[in-house]
Order: sequence, then structure tokens, then C-alpha cells
Amino acid sequence: EDQVTQSPEALRLQEGESSSLNCSYTVSGLRGLFWYRQDPGKGPEFLFTLYSAGEEKEKERLKATLTKKESFLHITAPKPEDSATYLCAVQARSGNQFYFGTGTSLTVIP
Amino acid sequence: DTGVSQDPRHKITKRGQNVTFRCDPISEHNRLYWYRQTLGQGPEFLTYFQNEAQLEKSRLLSDRFSAERPKGSFSTLEIQRTEQGDSAMYLCASSLYWDTGELFFGEGSRLTVL
Repeated sequence: EDQVTQSPEALRLQEGESSSLNCSYTVSGLRGLFWYRQDPGKGPEFLFTLYSAGEEKEKERLKATLTKKESFLHITAPKPEDSATYLCAVQARSGNQFYFGTGTSLTVIP
Repeated sequence: DTGVSQDPRHKITKRGQNVTFRCDPISEHNRLYWYRQTLGQGPEFLTYFQNEAQLEKSRLLSDRFSAERPKGSFSTLEIQRTEQGDSAMYLCASSLYWDTGELFFGEGSRLTVL
């Protein structure tokens, strides 16, 4: 069964303290892996799509990488406005749906 | 276009009542998804439409749940005989390209079943 596991569940960082979030996945033929940001009371907001191992994408202080079994979301010198829940999702080649993990709740302290 | 809109934003109902949620996707998007999210969990897939055709439905979705997308525009999600376990945020998302993962989510409809 397709599955996504994210760690840690929660992460507190000082402003400027870089770190990484992990997304491990099991899927029968990966079509794509996706990262979303979700603020409290809002719907998820799309960040990145990664299609194949070795691929990297960057946006401001965020960088997403992909291997055959996991993806990392690296946050460099985070700011308080980066505080949110970060969700990872996968899509299998055989289906239309996207499977989401439970997310990592990031808090950046000024 | 202001994005995906959902109505109502909040709904409180008594157990056993029926509720209906509406989603208006971004106008040129032909793909529409419904997800359910409970506190501390990621979105859980419910169903998917391409234009007016419902192409996929989660095995977790009981017969009390039904969704429609007449004419391939707005969509409705109805829950009959609500149970306390149905309390959740119901999220609608639309997309233009199904394999880019770029889903545009609405702000959700929060259901509380008393």
C-alpha cells in the first residue's frame, strides 16, 4: 500500500537555525513527490514537485531533494514567517490520487 | 479569478442530520478533488472528478457520502446521517495538470457533529 511518513512531527528552531524535514515514502511506481505548506485554518499551498531521484528544487529559503526512498525539505536560515505545517505527498503512476503524510509542524522562534 | 472557494466555511449539525458542502474550483481547472483532514493529520483522499466524471472514490468513503460535479463546474459533497466521527475539515482542490501535483486548495469547510 502506498504510504508516506514524515518526521519529526514537530520542530522548533531559533531564527537563523537551519534544519531539514524528512519524508519517507513507499509507492508502487512513483509519478511524483510533492511538498505543501499549510498555515493554521487554511488549505495547503503548493511548494514543489520532484519526479526522479537526484532532483532538487529551490524557493527562497527552502530546498527540496529526492532519493529513491525519501525526500528532504531543507530550510536555510529560517524566519518566523516560515512557521507552518509542511506536508509531503506522493502520487503513484497507477492512480489519480495524492497520498499525504501527517506533516511536520515547524515553529521558528525570533 | 480568486481561487477555489468553499461554502459554508463552518457547519455545526446534530448527529443524524444531512449536510452538503459546495466547492467552486478555479474556472479553467477540469480536475477536482475532495479531501478530509482531522486535527494533526494530513489530508485524506475522498474522491476525484475529471470534468463531470467521478473517476475515483476512496474505499474509506461509506455509502453515506456522495459527491457530484454537474456540468463539470462546481461540486457538492453530501454527507447523510452524520456521525460524530465525520467531524473534520473538508477540503476541495482543483488542478489543471494532474501529474504536476500543483493542487489549488480552498480554505475548507469545517464540520462539527454534536
